[in-house]
Amino acid sequence: AQSVTQLGSHVSVSEGALVLLRCNYSSSVPPYLFWYVQYPNQGLQLLLKYTTGATLVKGINGFEAEFKKSETSFHLTKPSAHMSDAAEYFCAVSENDYKLSFGAGTTVTVRA
Amino acid sequence: NAGVTQTPKFQVLKTGQSMTLQCAQDMNHEYMSWYRQDPGMGLRLIHYSVGAGITDQGEVPNGYNVSRSTTEDFPLRLLSAAPSQTSVYFCASSYTGDRASEQYFGPGTRLTVT
Repeated sequence: AQSVTQLGSHVSVSEGALVLLRCNYSSSVPPYLFWYVQYPNQGLQLLLKYTTGATLVKGINGFEAEFKKSETSFHLTKPSAHMSDAAEYFCAVSENDYKLSFGAGTTVTVRA
Repeated sequence: NAGVTQTPKFQVLKTGQSMTLQCAQDMNHEYMSWYRQDPGMGLRLIHYSVGAGITDQGEVPNGYNVSRSTTEDFPLRLLSAAPSQTSVYFCASSYTGDRASEQYFGPGTRLTVT
């Protein structure tokens, strides 16, 4: 069975500061991992994904995530937060075709 | 290219009423799915379809029906609405639905059942 835990339902950062969103997963097979972002009153859009190969994955808008198998983690980072990064972020895992399991989400607020 | 569209954007129902949430995509995607989003619970899969005429249940299918008569459309039917179905509903699609696929989401329908 697959599941996702996002640590921290809310994260507040200052503009220009590091953004770190934590995600841990459980999976009975090598996982495929995703980060999606949801801006207010919109649907989700893909930030980045890990399937196989390089464990450091770069996505859109300056975000990146590192797959660490030993820690069962896939944390999302951005070196310098921008006001436009205020959104809700979801980590997701796929063990098999057709079914994606989402974490509960982390809301990011950015302080000027 | 409109992507994934959903109608209506907002809906208020009384307990026991029925309604259909519409979803359409113009990307010729084989895979389509419905999720509900509740605070603190992320998105949960309701039903999905891997092609016209083929549907299957997800994690929380009770109280919902689907059908897929065309590649483009995937409506979600609430047969007898209950307050527990108050939620935001998202439709999504992808080329094949395989585990590496990026899913494209619609803007959502906010449903309130009183």
